[in-house]
Amino acid sequence: AQTVTQSQPEMSVQEAETVTLSCTYDTSESDYYLFWYKQPPSRQMILVIRQEAYKQQNATENRFSVNFQKAAKSFSLKISDSQLGDAAMYFCAYRSARSGAGSYQLTFGKGTKLSVIP
Amino acid sequence: SAVISQKPSRDICQRGTSLTIQCQVDSQVTMMFWYRQQPGQSLTLIATANQGSEATYESGFVIDKFPISRPNLTFSTLTVSNMSPEDSSIYLCSVRQDGTEAFFGQGTRLTVV
Repeated sequence: AQTVTQSQPEMSVQEAETVTLSCTYDTSESDYYLFWYKQPPSRQMILVIRQEAYKQQNATENRFSVNFQKAAKSFSLKISDSQLGDAAMYFCAYRSARSGAGSYQLTFGKGTKLSVIP
Repeated sequence: SAVISQKPSRDICQRGTSLTIQCQVDSQVTMMFWYRQQPGQSLTLIATANQGSEATYESGFVIDKFPISRPNLTFSTLTVSNMSPEDSSIYLCSVRQDGTEAFFGQGTRLTVV
């Protein structure tokens, strides 16, 4: 079974600064997807960024980028120029790329609570 | 991306009663899931809602406690039955279309007193 570990329960960053959230995972599969989701107090889970394991290039979405290290099974999220609206819980998630029953659900880490200091 | 409407957004219920949560999507989706998020915790998959057949439950979740319906490709319900305070959680509907990512409803915050 796959597991996802987020070792930082809480993080804080000054507004306009950069912060990196850590995520490691364990799997025996070679093809899979990794995601970062953001959950603000409104409870809505919002997809921040995704990475396909077969791609060597790190995904980037505006101020959000990842450092994907497949051999180390590491998938960190970097937020640049942090804004007050970035304050939220951030969840790292894994999904298998194989088809068939049981392979489509997401496995989540425990989350990291990010605070942004004005 | 799919737009998901989940109702109710929150409710306070008496123990021993049941609550049905609805998930409506604005387009047909291939997969629908129900997750539970206990206070301060991560998301745990309850079941995969299968269109026209019985849901597929994860270990630790049973149909008698969490009956699920999915009559078509845009709608599903989750019922939390015979509630106890331990059922107080956020329940989230999630859908997947043809792409890789999953989209979520805004969640239902359930408090059982």
